[in-house]
Amino acid sequence: GPKVLQIPSHQIIDMGQMVTLNCDPVSNHLYFYWYKQILGQQMEFLVNFYNGKVMEKSKLFKDQFSVERPDGSYFTLKIQPTALEDSAVYFCASSLDWGNYAEQFFGPGTRLTVL
Amino acid sequence: QQKVQQSPESLSVPEGGMASLNCTSSDRNFQYFWWYRQHSGEGPKALMSIFSDGDKKEGRFTAHLNKASLHVSLHIRDSQPSDSALYFCAASERASSSFSKLVFGQGTSLSVVP
Repeated sequence: GPKVLQIPSHQIIDMGQMVTLNCDPVSNHLYFYWYKQILGQQMEFLVNFYNGKVMEKSKLFKDQFSVERPDGSYFTLKIQPTALEDSAVYFCASSLDWGNYAEQFFGPGTRLTVL
Repeated sequence: QQKVQQSPESLSVPEGGMASLNCTSSDRNFQYFWWYRQHSGEGPKALMSIFSDGDKKEGRFTAHLNKASLHVSLHIRDSQPSDSALYFCAASERASSSFSKLVFGQGTSLSVVP
């Protein structure tokens, strides 16, 4: 079936550094998402993105976060600077359509550890 | 307050048995439901969606939704060891004016014992 890839699978960085998480969505999908899962807690919506723009973001999407998909390449989540509370698994997802009926396809996640 | 609650946290069933998972939304705006399954090392994968009252069957999987109580369940008959995974219930808002976002429950860990 359609696959979403995420690079890297693990990332360890020092607090205050910048990190970029990369997502390779399903090739014909138009809508992109990031979710965050802190260890032992449920997955939470961060942001969705369409046509080069953030459409909706949650309170978890701090000012230090940004997303982009330059020229149809990777969909990226950048955190600058990172904080200890950013340690989590970040899941990327994509969908062909939007709305309640659109199935979101998830990648395997990037485990980010901020020291 | 968590909008989507799942029970039980973990469940063990014998191979060939029936597994029943539950999910409740505490927010009446969230009444479109998805079930996702996540095997170790992989991302969540959609099993099925249910948006209308009643049952929806796909192979060995049956979802049931009661919109009045905002309760949705997933039943897996003839459970197989390959069904051992983490199962997430996810809900989305009724309003279609916003782009889709999913609110996830905390998951149920299912173990099917041979």
